[in-house]
Amino acid sequence: NAGVTQTPKFQVLKTGQSMTLQCAQDMNHEYMSWYRQDPGMGLRLIHYSVGAGITDQGEVPNGYNVSRSTTEDFPLRLLSAAPSQTSVYFCASSYGGGSAQVEQFFGPGTRLTVL
Amino acid sequence: AQSVSQHNHHVILSEAASLELGCNYSYGGTVNLFWYVQYPGQHLQLLLKYFSGDPLVKGIKGFEAEFIKSKFSFNLRKPSVQWSDTAEYFCAVTHGSSNTGKLIFGQGTTLQVKP
Repeated sequence: NAGVTQTPKFQVLKTGQSMTLQCAQDMNHEYMSWYRQDPGMGLRLIHYSVGAGITDQGEVPNGYNVSRSTTEDFPLRLLSAAPSQTSVYFCASSYGGGSAQVEQFFGPGTRLTVL
Repeated sequence: AQSVSQHNHHVILSEAASLELGCNYSYGGTVNLFWYVQYPGQHLQLLLKYFSGDPLVKGIKGFEAEFIKSKFSFNLRKPSVQWSDTAEYFCAVTHGSSNTGKLIFGQGTTLQVKP
């Protein structure tokens, strides 16, 4: 199993540009999430999905869009990049439902810089 | 709103010193508590987790944590740190008895172990 994969690893954008961060998992997990990591603020939830076709907003959703057309993929779209979106982005996945003991698995992250 | 606080932002220790990292959460109901570690250049990995039962939880690599409900705390400990423990440590919480796919993270603590 590759686990949770993310592409690209690094990206530099100019203000106003759009791009999609890719996330895929091969563990047949129903739940997938996007977090951003900023110094001194830990990880904050952007969007999450409990299954194909179902998404919801997390703590910091503004400026980001998601969709979930397949179980495996959960792309994060930046519509018009802003310097405030400079961050490290992590995708995570876990089995759906069940008890809260379920572990989330994280991808390696995408480091995004917006100039 | 739920929140998680990690009071130590940056900790520097010498090898063989004992470690205790603080974590406090603000939620009065059923909570599920996690400690994740992020080694330099790597993605987050689960160190240990608590759901119910014995409040002293043992994890990987000699780490343990104690859940003290009356203090809303879940502090991470290790009797003797090694240089390889240099990493960033995150406390996280979910609430309820079912998996929601959402984690609330603390700000993180950077641990630097000097050889």
